Amino acid sequence: EPEVTQTPSHQVTQMGQEVILRCVPISNHLYFYWYRQILGQKVEFLVSFYNNEISEKSEIFDDQFSVERPDGSNFTLKIRSTKLEDSAMYFCASSEGLAGGPSTRDTQYFGPGTRLTVL
Amino acid sequence: GENVEQHPSTLSVQEGDSAVIKCTYSDSASNYFPWYKQELGKRPQLIIDIRSNVGEKKDQRIAVTLNKTAKHFSLHITETQPEDSAVYFCAASIGAGTASKLTFGTGTRLQVTL
Repeated sequence: EPEVTQTPSHQVTQMGQEVILRCVPISNHLYFYWYRQILGQKVEFLVSFYNNEISEKSEIFDDQFSVERPDGSNFTLKIRSTKLEDSAMYFCASSEGLAGGPSTRDTQYFGPGTRLTVL
Repeated sequence: GENVEQHPSTLSVQEGDSAVIKCTYSDSASNYFPWYKQELGKRPQLIIDIRSNVGEKKDQRIAVTLNKTAKHFSLHITETQPEDSAVYFCAASIGAGTASKLTFGTGTRLQVTL
């Protein structure tokens, strides 16, 4: 069964450094998402992406964050200047969207996550 | 925006008993309600979902009910097993086959004891 993949599994960085988290969504999916989960807390929406542009973003997704689909398979999240409070698990997700059947088009499948630790 | 409340935060049941987790949502436009199971250090995995045109859905030992009028939905697990131990998250979205964000509840840690 196809799965969303993410790299790296764990990233340690110094405060102020730039990080890029990478995701490969499921191949026939059209919609892509980033979520984050601070340790012990709920999963929070960051941004959604469709047709090479942002569909929606949350208040968390400020100017320090950006997303990109650099090629036909990868979907990246960049944090320009990391802060201590950016430490979290970052999950990528994808969904088929309108291309899918009524029972599957809204289903979001999550990747294994990247644990970001900012020191 | 949407707000999802989830109760209880922890739930301990004996193996073989049933477990019920409840969620309420605030946005009446929400129409897609998935439940995810998350084991320690792993990805959230979809276990069941329901849409607002359906009141109940069942998949083996798992069922979800939805009350649109009251804006609440519940997860029911029957004949619980130790491998059901995990954190369960409910979520809501305005599902339309487009890039609709999921708003998650705060999670329920389910412990199934022998």
